[in-house]
Amino acid sequence: DAKTTQPTSMDCAEGRAANLPCNHSTISGNEYVYWYRQIHSQGPQYIIHGLKNNETNEMASLIITEDRKSSTLILPHATLRDTAVYYCIVGRGLYSGSARQLTFGSGTQLTVLP
Amino acid sequence: NAGVTQTPKFRILKIGQSMTLQCTQDMNHNYMYWYRQDPGMGLKLIYYSVGAGITDKGEVPNGYNVSRSTTEDFPLRLELAAPSQTSVYFCASAIGTEYNSPLHFGNGTRLTVT
Repeated sequence: DAKTTQPTSMDCAEGRAANLPCNHSTISGNEYVYWYRQIHSQGPQYIIHGLKNNETNEMASLIITEDRKSSTLILPHATLRDTAVYYCIVGRGLYSGSARQLTFGSGTQLTVLP
Repeated sequence: NAGVTQTPKFRILKIGQSMTLQCTQDMNHNYMYWYRQDPGMGLKLIYYSVGAGITDKGEVPNGYNVSRSTTEDFPLRLELAAPSQTSVYFCASAIGTEYNSPLHFGNGTRLTVT
């Protein structure tokens, strides 16, 4: 599976959009981009995933560049409860029929400031 | 649905003792995973399973064993506990069929080996 590079930490003002970048320059054609977050010692929580197209759900938006070598997770109106470590992961989708092993790196510590 | 349930939440072991970390899910997911997370680090895959009776090694399997006799349960066995196994252990599951699905995590077992 492709590796990812994320900034170690970021700050964001409460109520503003939080934009978390991720580089995955070695991503292959059948690998998805997944975002999870981990709020202080809890189990990681799924946020969103995508293959090529931009995706949006009730939590966030995912913007994937046309060459798929990088992506950005957008939390449109960050709150204090969004303070967490955010993991960007790439891995094969289940269409391959093989077990999906997602490698979690160190992630980005997002701190939302009042 | 309860989702993914892990027991116990906390455990202290002496060096050389053994224990089993329990994980059960009620979502009828085929895929199940065990990760460990050391302080300040990302998650590392220990073992995974694609269905009852099928298991395989992840990135850091040494010192651990698993079994998968039912779809619901995926226990992780530590034999001869060592201080290096002090960590937080997360179990996760995913549907794992013909379409993509996110990983659902439990809230972890915090293990200290002294």
